[in-house]
Amino acid sequence: AQRVTQPEKLLSVFKGAPVELKCNYSYSGSPELFWYVQYSRQRLQLLLRHISRESIKGFTADLNKGETSFHLKKPFAQEEDSAMYYCALSGRGNTPLVFGKGTRLSVIA
Amino acid sequence: GAVVSQHPSRVICKSGTSVKIECRSLDFQATTMFWYRQFPKQSLMLMATSNEGSKATYEQGVEKDKFLINHASLTLSTLTVTSAHPEDSSFYICSARPDPENIQYFGAGTRLSVL
Repeated sequence: AQRVTQPEKLLSVFKGAPVELKCNYSYSGSPELFWYVQYSRQRLQLLLRHISRESIKGFTADLNKGETSFHLKKPFAQEEDSAMYYCALSGRGNTPLVFGKGTRLSVIA
Repeated sequence: GAVVSQHPSRVICKSGTSVKIECRSLDFQATTMFWYRQFPKQSLMLMATSNEGSKATYEQGVEKDKFLINHASLTLSTLTVTSAHPEDSSFYICSARPDPENIQYFGAGTRLSVL
């Protein structure tokens, strides 16, 4: 069964501090992993996908198949990073996204 | 690019009436669209996968006769909540996947309130 686990409901950090949003997944195969972000009163937006291996808004995420993790990291948090972050998985054959429960990131000035 | 328009953004209706929600891909074609439901402070739950020109695929526990999905063109999918009841009140979100990419782009959602 496909499952995405985000253990933290809420994460509060000070501005300038490093951020790590945790995501673990369960899937018997090679999934594709994504991070989506939802800013206040806005729609869900794609932030990162693991196959792109790029940095967006200073965020990076590396797929660790051994630990079945796809943690989202940023070295220096900014106030504008405050939002809801969802980790999501798509299985073989471009199956629909399965979402984690989300982590609300609050960056404190 | 890759904009998904969802309409209406909010609807209030009486119990027993039907409500139609539209999801349009504005600048791309999407053979496949998805419908999600989000309860307060919870994650998105997939309801169904909408396929252009064929029947939708519903997730376990989702009543297909209650949530009618039509995907008549490559840019439009509709979700009709039939005979709505207060327990159907929720936030419904659609997404579309541009052919042939494996990325989903989301609409802004529709808040349904059934009185």
